[in-house]
Amino acid sequence: DARVTQTPRDKVTEMGQEVTMRCQPILGHNTVFWYRQTMMQGLELLAYFRNRAPLDDSGMPKDRFSAEMPDATLATLKIQPSEPRDSAVYFCASGSEDRVWTEAFFGQGTRLTVV
Amino acid sequence: DQQVKQNSPSLSVQEGRISILNCDYTNSMFDYFLWYKKYPAEGPTFLISISSIKDKNEDGRFTVFLNKSAKHLSLHIVPSQPGDSAVYFCAASARIGASKIIFGSGTRLSIRP
Repeated sequence: DARVTQTPRDKVTEMGQEVTMRCQPILGHNTVFWYRQTMMQGLELLAYFRNRAPLDDSGMPKDRFSAEMPDATLATLKIQPSEPRDSAVYFCASGSEDRVWTEAFFGQGTRLTVV
Repeated sequence: DQQVKQNSPSLSVQEGRISILNCDYTNSMFDYFLWYKKYPAEGPTFLISISSIKDKNEDGRFTVFLNKSAKHLSLHIVPSQPGDSAVYFCAASARIGASKIIFGSGTRLSIRP
């Protein structure tokens, strides 16, 4: 049963603390996306990778957010320092761009609360 | 600047009737469009897609219509069922180039008995 796995599912942290969210894409997928769900913006694209290389991270606040793919089985999204306005649900999605582009498969998300 | 817009935050439809969800886009480079469905506490799941070479794609109770000249697409669900109550996201992508997937803000569909 192939699925995208995100950890942790829920995270509560104090303002100023570092937060790291992890994602294991579906095996064989070469494209990984990070989205943030907010009430106003819907699913906001933060960054995405193809074959582990960052293609676009223009949606991320550069001063505090960073995204990496240390290897093909792990993608990370880090916030340092975290702020209350970062509270949202963060989704990772993966897909395969080797053939005709079809769809991206989403994980269950990490609900982040910064107090 | 939202490239994909869903102007109706919510929609309520009676069970058995047709649900129509609308989506507009601004980027002419988009040539592939997707609809996702999201239940609370779960990630979005893919529902149906359409390529710009078509103007209609049907899958069971779900049909997506694309009007390229108007930069508009719609999702029709008929008949609507209680399990269809969810948030629906419209998304768009350009196959040429970076092909990132841009999502709209979502429409919450409620099916009432």
